[in-house]
Amino acid sequence: GESVGLHLPTLSVQEGDNSIINCAYSNSASDYFIWYKQESGKGPQFIIDIRSNMDKRQGQRVTVLLNKTVKHLSLQIAATQPGDSAVYFCAENGNAGGTSYGKLTFGQGTILTVHP
Amino acid sequence: NAGVTQTPKFQVLKTGQSMTLQCAQDMNHNSMYWYRQDPGMGLRLIYYSASEGTTDKGEVPNGYNVSRLNKREFSLRLESAAPSQTSVYFCASSEWRPGGYEQYFGPGTRLTVT
Repeated sequence: GESVGLHLPTLSVQEGDNSIINCAYSNSASDYFIWYKQESGKGPQFIIDIRSNMDKRQGQRVTVLLNKTVKHLSLQIAATQPGDSAVYFCAENGNAGGTSYGKLTFGQGTILTVHP
Repeated sequence: NAGVTQTPKFQVLKTGQSMTLQCAQDMNHNSMYWYRQDPGMGLRLIYYSASEGTTDKGEVPNGYNVSRLNKREFSLRLESAAPSQTSVYFCASSEWRPGGYEQYFGPGTRLTVT
């Protein structure tokens, strides 16, 4: 079936570096993507989203890039901090704005570790 | 504003026992969801409710039932628990707003079935 997956399961960076987390998706009909952060023992926290009619979207210290040609999504975190250490998931939805817009398919996750 | 709340936080069941996981949100969201998360994996959708009065199956509905009690509450029931249902269960609610998409997850219920 359709799936969303990640290239790297773990990423270690030094505090202050920029981090890039990648995600590949296989459903060409996907039109909405979300990045989540999940800290240990907590539920996922919404970071940033992007719709398929965009290539790039920026938030506070985070940027999501979407390449529909190769079905690839990335999350860039600027000036990574120890508090950014968590598992990061990408998720996709094939019917953004419709009644099933919350029916998300999640990737496996990438563990980001930030060393002081 | 508590967001999404779930009870209980932890539960241990014996095989064959039943239980109901409770979820409530105070953000006036129309849509609510139940996910499960197994170790080292992303979340998988069990059931969802696009609006009050409707429920639909997600990716892994077998062994579960849901009830959308009212706009605020969405419960998940295990009628006869099995060890394969050992997992962390997350409830979420969401809504499209003029300013963007809102979605919040609860803190999770850690369930162990022995």
